[in-house]
Amino acid sequence: EDQVTQSPEALRLQEGESSSLNCSYTVSGLRGLFWYRQDPGKGPEFLFTLYSAGEEKEKERLKATLTKKESFLHITAPKPEDSATYLCAVQSNTGFQKLVFGTGTRLLVSP
Amino acid sequence: EAQVTQNPRYLITVTGKKLTVTCSQNMNHEYMSWYRQDPGLGLRQIYYSMNVEVTDKGDVPEGYKVSRKEKRNFPLILESPSPNQTSLYFCASSLTVWGTQYFGPGTRLLVL
Repeated sequence: EDQVTQSPEALRLQEGESSSLNCSYTVSGLRGLFWYRQDPGKGPEFLFTLYSAGEEKEKERLKATLTKKESFLHITAPKPEDSATYLCAVQSNTGFQKLVFGTGTRLLVSP
Repeated sequence: EAQVTQNPRYLITVTGKKLTVTCSQNMNHEYMSWYRQDPGLGLRQIYYSMNVEVTDKGDVPEGYKVSRKEKRNFPLILESPSPNQTSLYFCASSLTVWGTQYFGPGTRLLVL
């Protein structure tokens, strides 16, 4: 069964304090790994898709990387507006189309 | 603006009173899906649709129905809601079954 585990559950950073969020996954065959950002009371907002080990993508202060077992979301010099829950999801290429989500990492960046 | 819309955004109802949550997308996407989000459980798929008149069950379909009569709309129907269906519901769509899914703003449902 496909599974996604995110750690830590919650992370508190000071503004400018860089860190990384982890997404460990098991999947029969990886079609894609997705990162979303979710603000309270809102729908998940797409950030990145990674397809193969070694791939990296960047957007502003965020950088996502992928290995065969896990993905990292690196946050460089975060700002308070980066505070949100970050969700990781995987999609298998072996028949089923659904996204399997982790439970997310709640990030709080203090000024 | 390309978007997925849901209505209503908030709903309080009583056990057994049928309700429908609408979902509409303006991106001509083939694939649409419904999820529920519960604390500690993450997002779980309820039903999905690969195209008009093609729907199938996700992980937690019990107590829900869907239909896809038009490409842009994918309503979620709770024919006899129960308190365990109290949750935050999201509709999502993607161009194809393998594409990036874009989510609606969510519908918060409370069943008393």
